[in-house]
Amino acid sequence: DAGITQSPRHKVTETGTPVTLRCHQTENHRYMYWYRQDPGHGLRLIHYSYGVKDTDKGEVSDGYSVSRSKTEDFLLTLESATSSQTSVYFCAIKSGLNTGELFFGEGSRLTVL
Amino acid sequence: AQSVAQPEDQVNVAEGNPLTVKCTYSVSGNPYLFWYVQYPNRGLQFLLKYITGDNLVKGSYGFEAEFNKSQTSFHLKKPSALVSDSALYFCAVRDGGDSNYQLIWGAGTKLIIKP
Repeated sequence: DAGITQSPRHKVTETGTPVTLRCHQTENHRYMYWYRQDPGHGLRLIHYSYGVKDTDKGEVSDGYSVSRSKTEDFLLTLESATSSQTSVYFCAIKSGLNTGELFFGEGSRLTVL
Repeated sequence: AQSVAQPEDQVNVAEGNPLTVKCTYSVSGNPYLFWYVQYPNRGLQFLLKYITGDNLVKGSYGFEAEFNKSQTSFHLKKPSALVSDSALYFCAVRDGGDSNYQLIWGAGTKLIIKP
């Protein structure tokens, strides 16, 4: 158990509303990641963080923002949700090893109507 | 460009038979290779990795993977499949020189083990 908690686990919202997903870790890891998973696309990186207030974009960052004000929390915000953002979102942390394997949360299923 | 290919969307195997899930990769530097498994409605779980050394690496749940540098492949194998192995499997690679530890992911292969 890598000590990662995502919330909410399920959310249904309407187009145009803001949504924030939270990832909380208990193990003080420096690197945290937000991915989305869609059929046929595998995992696609949205944003990642390499420390408090240090974040960078991934391959599908448009329409998403992130914040990391403390080590344990990494927030993903959809400022104005669209139907194309309906997906399952996974948070991950990088293990302390330099080999870079990731450990994942249980996912947050978001439906935008 | 760095990439990972999992050429089979789905693999069907009878219980007790050996299984192979294929993965090929392209990376500019030294490849660090990973396999993950995802059970329904769960997050991904780390299975095994190849960094250096012996080309055959062993991981969780009796799985192993063989690194083949000339064929740029990292196929996942198990000598005797179990019904409980049915899941979605992802291969991932990273350039060992990438200081941001970003993984490149395959699209996933659904493994179905039939009793």
